[in-house]
Amino acid sequence: QQQVKQSPQSLIVQKGGISIINCAYENTAFDYFPWYQQFPGKGPALLIAIRPDVSEKKEGRFTISFNKSAKQFSLHIMDSQPGDSATYFCAARDKRSARQLTFGSGTQLTVLP
Amino acid sequence: DGGITQSPKYLFRKEGQNVTLSCEQNLNHDAMYWYRQDPGQGLRLIYYSQIVNDFQKGDIAEGYSVSREKKESFPLTVTSAQKNPTAFYLCASSIGTGGPTEAFFGQGTRLTVV
Repeated sequence: QQQVKQSPQSLIVQKGGISIINCAYENTAFDYFPWYQQFPGKGPALLIAIRPDVSEKKEGRFTISFNKSAKQFSLHIMDSQPGDSATYFCAARDKRSARQLTFGSGTQLTVLP
Repeated sequence: DGGITQSPKYLFRKEGQNVTLSCEQNLNHDAMYWYRQDPGQGLRLIYYSQIVNDFQKGDIAEGYSVSREKKESFPLTVTSAQKNPTAFYLCASSIGTGGPTEAFFGQGTRLTVV
């Protein structure tokens, strides 16, 4: 079964600090790696995504780092803010599969004021 | 505004009842999905559909059924065979095979068995 392993399960960071969430995968057919942000009681929304032909993508305070050889990718949130407190999911797509995305188990981020 | 509408937001079910969760999209997407979310377990795929009148089981399809009679609608029925239905249910859509992969999610339905 395709899997994406995500860690940590929960993370507490002080305001202004760096939040780092990690994901690992085994399926070499994955070709697209998005991160979703979910606030309580809401549906997830796409935050940032990367393809395996680049090692890093940055959008504002959010950066994805991708290590193809290690089959790992991570989300870095710089200057973390209380408004960033949410659950974050990594995901991966196997383009051969109609089911599209496989999600990690999620990380609950709390940014303390 | 384009998007995905799930209804109701909250749903209560008695033991032994079937209930149907609604999902409608006006994004003209071919693909639609149903996920179940439990605390600490991420999103688990129940069913997905790439085209009208066709759908496939995901990882946890037992106790659930779906239909796809229209492109914009993908209702999920939670049957009495689902032994632990209390969860947050999310519907999503995407352009489909060969297109951009971004999945757009609805706001979810929280189902509680009483």
